[in-house]
This record gives sequence, C-alpha cells and structure tokens, in this order.
Amino acid sequence: GEDVEQSLFLSVREGDSSVINCTYTDSSSTYLYWYKQEPGAGLQLLTYIFSNMDMKQDQRLTVLLNKKDKHLSLRIADTQTGDSAIYFCAAESNDYKLSFGAGTTVTVRA
Amino acid sequence: DTEVTQTPKHLVMGMTNKKSLKCEQHMGHRAMYWYKQKAKKPPELMFVYSYEKLSINESVPSRFSPECPNSSLLNLHLHALQPEDSALYLCASSQERGGGNTIYFGEGSWLTVV
Repeated sequence: GEDVEQSLFLSVREGDSSVINCTYTDSSSTYLYWYKQEPGAGLQLLTYIFSNMDMKQDQRLTVLLNKKDKHLSLRIADTQTGDSAIYFCAAESNDYKLSFGAGTTVTVRA
Repeated sequence: DTEVTQTPKHLVMGMTNKKSLKCEQHMGHRAMYWYKQKAKKPPELMFVYSYEKLSINESVPSRFSPECPNSSLLNLHLHALQPEDSALYLCASSQERGGGNTIYFGEGSWLTVV
C-alpha cells in the first residue's frame, strides 16, 4: 500500500512563512490533499493538487508537487496564530483510498 | 454548503451498551465514509458506502456495524465495545468515490468506552 510521510513538528514565528513537507511512495497517486485539524475538531480540507500540476496557489497557501521525487509541500505565507493545528498530507491511490501521513503539528509563536 | 453533521459530539458508553453514531449530509454526495482517529494519529478508514451499498470494510470487528438508510444518512451501530475502541469517529462524504472527488469530513464524535 501507499506510505505517506511527514515531519512531525514545525515551530514558526508569527508573520513568517511555514513550509510543511510530505513524501509518498505510490507514483500512480493522482490526487494529493492537505487537510487541517484544529484541537477537538474534524478535518478541514485546505487544498488539493492533481498530479499533472507542479504548483497550485490559493490565497496564502501554495502547494508544490515534485512528481519525480514524489514530494509535496504546503507553504503558508504570513503565518498567523490561527494556523496552529495539525496538518495532514493525503494521497489518493488507484483503489480510490486516501492514505494519510502522520500529521505535522504546527505551532505559531508570537 | 460543504457540511457533514455528526451526532452526538460526545458519547460515553459501557462495554455492554448498544449505541449509535449518526451522520448526515445534504450535498447530494453518493459516497460516505467512517474513519476512526486515535489521539495524535491520522484517520484510519473503516467503511465506505457508495450509492448506499457497502463497498469497503477494512476488516473492522463486527462490534461495529454500519448502516446507510438513504443517500443522506450514515449510521454506525456500536455494541460490546472495548476500552481500546475509545477514539474520535469521523464521518465523511464525497460526490463519488475517488477520482479527485474531494472528501469532506464532519467534526467527529468523541467516543469513550468505560
């Protein structure tokens, strides 16, 4: 099955950019997602990218995809305290199942 | 509106109890999912319904019994659970299964088994 890996923790100063990295193993993954989970809440879809794209930008969020290296990143510009959360990378495989990474806990410090 | 509604938000049950978790969406989605999430871990897929038929059961113990009464509703019936089943149970839905159809999650039901 698909393995998705992320770094577990990221600490960033308010106003700086955050970059969360993710790698996956299944080269046939067609869609890759970023979800945000705040404490005590469900998962909120942030953005997704189709595998034939290199980059997608949506307001403060930029997703970069290096399909050759099977590497995905999420950049959050001008990070705010409300961005403190766990961020999950997820890859959709050929059987339409989503494989999630372990989640990156982002802490925004003043 | 991309809302998936789950009730109850919190549930405490004994190991001999029978209870149900409920999920509802009015987005016209034809795929609905149950995930289980333990603290500080990613969600794990339990069941997938597509067009009201069970299409995936990820080898979930029979003490968890899903039901899809209609295209908007998804239930998870619980019976004779164990303390290790305590977790956040997330319902989700998507227009269809896979193919880039975005999966939208509810806020979850926190289950504690005592």
